[in-house]
This record gives sequence, structure tokens and C-alpha cells, in this order.
Amino acid sequence: EVQVVESGGGLVQPGGSLRLSCAASGLTFTGDWMNWVRQPPGKGLEWVASIKQDGSEKHYVDSVKGRFTISRDNAENSVYLQMNSLRVEDTAVYYCARGKSHINGWIHAYWGQGTLVTVSS
Amino acid sequence: DIVMTQSPDSLAVSLGERATINCKSSQSVLYSSNNMNFLAWYQQKPGQPPKLLIYWASTRESGVPDRFTGSGSGRDFTLTISSLQAEDVAVYYCQQYYSSPITFGQGTRLDIK
Repeated sequence: EVQVVESGGGLVQPGGSLRLSCAASGLTFTGDWMNWVRQPPGKGLEWVASIKQDGSEKHYVDSVKGRFTISRDNAENSVYLQMNSLRVEDTAVYYCARGKSHINGWIHAYWGQGTLVTVSS
Repeated sequence: DIVMTQSPDSLAVSLGERATINCKSSQSVLYSSNNMNFLAWYQQKPGQPPKLLIYWASTRESGVPDRFTGSGSGRDFTLTISSLQAEDVAVYYCQQYYSSPITFGQGTRLDIK
């Protein structure tokens, strides 16, 4: 069974930092792109970042460039999202999603339950 | 950036009737070299993460009931639910994965009439 589990969310003040983690199991981790998608309360989905299987290629939405960093540790079957200089508008549920193996890594085939990040003073 | 626009924003359909959701991209998501449309559909039920339904515009994900059908090419796409069931109440999103940044439509809320 494919599993994706996020952790690390919480309440942080504007300008603060937070590191999200995502643990994946059930498929060969090194075969998949990994992605982060967020959803502000009561709103739609926004893709945040993606990282290639070997970490050599990363993509970000413009609104987080220079503030967020995606990384992965294939030995730990984990992907991370380091979030710095957080803003109120970063408040959202953050989902980790695995790409669809051998098809296209940007098709978000498996999703975690999400972790809530609240940026507030 | 490719902008994805869904219509309608919400709709209500009677049980057993057909539901149709449209998605339009600001530029083509058809990759000419392999003739594939880089378009996916997701379903999100209340309190749950999204679930992949359709990719390549018309390929049903494993385990998805065949009442869900994706169609379209280029810039115009449709998700059709042939006979609405109570468990289909959800918000539906289209997504393009043709180019970065990956973008989603704003979502279409589907309810029972």
C-alpha cells in the first residue's frame, strides 16, 4: 500500500520559519518526483514545489521562490519543505503528493492527509 | 503561466443524472511530439485530500468508476459523470502538468439537487 505522511505543521509568527517533512512508503521512492501542494482554508489548490527523483531539478511557484526550499533524502524515503520568511498568506493545509511512477512525476497520484500551517501573530 | 479556468463554479444535479464540468486552459496543453494532453482531474471530498481521477485528459486512474469520463484536447476539456451517485458530492479540480508552474483550476463544487 502506498502511503504518504506529512508532519511539521503548526502555528508560527510572520517572518518565522517552519520545516515540513513527508515520509513515503509502498513504492520505490527514488522512482518518483515528489510535490508539495497547499490549500488555504476554504479555498482551492495551489501547487507549491516539485523535486526530481535525484534532487537535480526543482521547481517553485513564484510566490515562494527565495523563501521556500524543497529537498529530499532518498535514504530516508523523505521529502522536506523548508519555509522561511513566512507570511500570513502562507497559511494553508500543505499536502505532499507523489508523482505517478513511470508515467509523469507531475501527475499527483498519491496524497497525504496534509499538515496545517498557520502564520499569525 | 498557464491559467486554468473551470465552469461552472458550482452545480447541482439530480441523482442518476449526468454532470458535466468544463476546464479551459489559457494555452494548449497538447504536447505535439507524443500527441498527449497534459491534463488531469482530481476529486476532493470534504475533509479529505484530493484524489486523482483522470490523467492524460482521458485515462482513468485505477479503481475509478467508469461513470467518470474525461475528454477534450488542446485548450478545452470536460469531466463527465454519467450517472451521479451520492458519493460523487465533492469539489473537482483540473490541473495542467504541461509546464511549470503546475496550475490548477479554481474548482467546481458538485452537489445533489
